[in-house]
Amino acid sequence: QLQLQQSGPGLVKPSETLSLTCHVSGDPISTNKYYWGWIRQPPGKGLEWIGNLFYGGSTYLNPSLKSRVTISVDTSKNQFSLKVRSVTAADTAMYYCARLESWQYYFDFWGQGTPVTVSS
Amino acid sequence: QSALTQPPSASGSPGQSVTISCTGTSSDVGRYSSVSWYQHHPGKAPKLIIYELTQRPSGVPDRFSGSKSGNTASLTVSGLQAEDEADFYCSSYAGNNTLLFGGGTKLTVL
Repeated sequence: QLQLQQSGPGLVKPSETLSLTCHVSGDPISTNKYYWGWIRQPPGKGLEWIGNLFYGGSTYLNPSLKSRVTISVDTSKNQFSLKVRSVTAADTAMYYCARLESWQYYFDFWGQGTPVTVSS
Repeated sequence: QSALTQPPSASGSPGQSVTISCTGTSSDVGRYSSVSWYQHHPGKAPKLIIYELTQRPSGVPDRFSGSKSGNTASLTVSGLQAEDEADFYCSSYAGNNTLLFGGGTKLTVL
């Protein structure tokens, strides 16, 4: 059974970099059938797509976040990561990693979520 | 890119049907069939309930159904049950490997 296990700090200072990792177990991350993505939900708001990654390294990012976001993969550890630079209070959110079916573009498996607060 | 438009709330009594709309544009919902719906209970990860406009993943009851007309996709929940109370989000492929989510609809079972 596929599992996505998220890890990373829950508190980040303003102007610093938010870093989260999603470890995939039960299936290889190196597959042509799926992308691997990040989604977030600010408090009291809806879901926001952050971006997707293909195991070969290609990334596709939300234009509104593109200048500050990096998504990368480590196939040897079967995991992928998110970095958001120069964070502000507006980046405070629950962050989810998820598997995205690459043809029909739906997220079928999700991580447990990581609450991240940006505060000094 | 703007978020897809959903009504903030919807409600119905047990056994009734409720429909939640998701309005986009001719560049996303109107153009592609890659529309999906997610059920989100507080404190849990979102759960896929509809993909490719009308398809249900294994294990999702057939009380949940999806459709589309023009730039608006819809999710219908029939035979409402107490456990259906949750937030629902639509999502659509928007071209160039990008995705949009709706703002979410809080479904209340009266």
